[in-house]
Amino acid sequence: NAGVTQTPKFQVLKTGQSMTLQCAQDMNHEYMSWYRQDPGMGLRLIHYSVGAGITDQGEVPNGYNVSRSTTEDFPLRLLSAAPSQTSVYFCASSFDLLNEQFFGPGTRLTVL
Amino acid sequence: SQQGEEDPQALSIQEGENATMNCSYKTSINNLQWYRQNSGRGLVHLILIRSNEREKHSGRLRVTLDTSKKSSSLLITASRAADTASYFCATDHNNDMRFGAGTRLTVKP
Repeated sequence: NAGVTQTPKFQVLKTGQSMTLQCAQDMNHEYMSWYRQDPGMGLRLIHYSVGAGITDQGEVPNGYNVSRSTTEDFPLRLLSAAPSQTSVYFCASSFDLLNEQFFGPGTRLTVL
Repeated sequence: SQQGEEDPQALSIQEGENATMNCSYKTSINNLQWYRQNSGRGLVHLILIRSNEREKHSGRLRVTLDTSKKSSSLLITASRAADTASYFCATDHNNDMRFGAGTRLTVKP
């Protein structure tokens, strides 16, 4: 199993550009989520999904969209990048929140 | 706002000593989890304790949960240099996971 994979590993955007961060898991997990981690801080939940076709907002959803058309994939879209979105983004998955979450390696995003 | 808050923010100990980290949270939870993060890497799950449990062990790790005080502690016994990392608690409240800011543990050889 590859576990949770994220692409790209690094990305630099200009203010106003849009892009999609990819996340995929091959463990047949129902729960998937996106977090951002700013320097010296813990993770903050952006969006999550409890299954295909179902998404919900987390703590900091503004400026981000998600969709869950399949169990395996959970892409995160930045609609119009802003410098405040400079961060490291982590995707995670689990069977449900009664079980451990598996994290991807992260995407380091810089918005100029 | 973040749900969990770890204490201390940073901890430096000698190899072989025990390390204790604390986590406090604000609202009722379904479970509490502890994660470890090596610098620049993703998080790795350490242990999960459910709201109806008071103590759990896994190898050199011991976690306690006091729901009346809304707090948890993580004890790492006989620490090793390889335990150097950041440790985060995370609480689950109806599918909404909240992480604390973490404790940065340094274990000196």
